[in-house]
Amino acid sequence: DQQVKQNSPSLSVQEGRISILNCDYTNSMFDYFLWYKKYPAEGPTFLISISSIKDKNEDGRFTVFLNKSAKHLSLHIVPSQPGDSAVYFCAALTTSGTYKYIFGTGTRLKVLA
Amino acid sequence: DVKVTQSSRYLVKRTGEKVFLECVQDMDHENMFWYRQDPGLGLRLIYFSYDVKMKEKGDIPEGYSVSREKKERFSLILESASTNQTSMYLCASREGGPNEQFFGPGTRLTVL
Repeated sequence: DQQVKQNSPSLSVQEGRISILNCDYTNSMFDYFLWYKKYPAEGPTFLISISSIKDKNEDGRFTVFLNKSAKHLSLHIVPSQPGDSAVYFCAALTTSGTYKYIFGTGTRLKVLA
Repeated sequence: DVKVTQSSRYLVKRTGEKVFLECVQDMDHENMFWYRQDPGLGLRLIYFSYDVKMKEKGDIPEGYSVSREKKERFSLILESASTNQTSMYLCASREGGPNEQFFGPGTRLTVL
């Protein structure tokens, strides 16, 4: 049972345009969400997070939006750059539990120059 | 900066061999994790540890065991490697609470 889903396995975007990566979850107990970026042959690196008490968090070119009623979060990258080409994972956890993160299956983003 | 290191980047083993994957973190983090990453399946948690000598099963612990004798070191053991354990193995560490996890570079294990 996949509690965190990234339904788009891949996405291609032109350089300078907006990239939107989506993530859906089923467990309403999740109250903290993170995005990680992974280059080939490297470990994932943390990008941005959001608590369920917020609906938006911004860090430079990266913004995460959370829609609790729809159990949906999205990562916006504006403007997209070729160096953003990577696999992006969303992760969710319940802060009242054991802080076990549940990861999505990942979306491969390709930014075309 | 937190550094998480893994003992090997690439490893090739034969079916039935015992395999040790070592992970070391240098930031005194309480929590350490072992994941495997497979295409289309994302990161799946094998085992985690929230303190020395403490361990908990993740989502796919079958065929694996772990050891945490020191706070900075978390080992993953494949008692008898099988071909379906060919994968990318990622170690991570984290302070207590809802904080970011820091990942190592990964070990690409191939079992022949």
